[in-house]
Amino acid sequence: QQQVKQSPQSLIVQKGGIPIINCAYENTAFDYFPWYQQFPGKGPALLIAIRPDVSEKKEGRFTISFNKSAKQFSLHIMDSQPGDSATYFCAAGPPGSARQLTFGSGTQLTVLP
Amino acid sequence: DTGVSQDPRHKITKRGQNVTFRCDPISEHNRLYWYRQTLGQGPEFLTYFQNEAQLEKSRLLSDRFSAERPKGSFSTLEIQRTEQGDSAMYLCASSLMLTRGVRDEQFFGPGTRLTVL
Repeated sequence: QQQVKQSPQSLIVQKGGIPIINCAYENTAFDYFPWYQQFPGKGPALLIAIRPDVSEKKEGRFTISFNKSAKQFSLHIMDSQPGDSATYFCAAGPPGSARQLTFGSGTQLTVLP
Repeated sequence: DTGVSQDPRHKITKRGQNVTFRCDPISEHNRLYWYRQTLGQGPEFLTYFQNEAQLEKSRLLSDRFSAERPKGSFSTLEIQRTEQGDSAMYLCASSLMLTRGVRDEQFFGPGTRLTVL
């Protein structure tokens, strides 16, 4: 199975809130889990990525939590800002340095001022 | 700006016509990927090149689709006999593989939005 399931489809939070976006995968061979941010009219941009040998990774206000046994990973955005309003995609990659990414269906985040 | 560029940004065509898109990767990036993104969905992998060699193709890439990267720099994606179901955003990404086994980050272009009437 190559599918990556992402939820929720949309999310609205107040400024300063902590939106959480969840993803689940089935293929245990995946070993690379990036999150991308996409603004309207733009291509996706890499935010943060994690490998299954760690359970958490933080970069600035963005944190990935990874649960290998449950085959789930999530993105937390601390102190969210209106400028964070965008569509967020999780993805998973098979072993190997390149290889294609399998993306989730996306979460449209709106951060209210 | 030295990011990934794609041309055209928008293309409207009639069913049955052929279309060609161009992608210019970040200079010196040796890997180039094509993805398709439909409304409300994440990108779906189509194919990728390492230098000029096309190394992998998705089952989504029907025989009406062909991609080339003749000199290992820019790439073209051609769709022959377009169908309404081909309407989507076509994204190109590039990356630099330096060390075997080390994941290389994919940088995406802005995409070409295709509308087939």
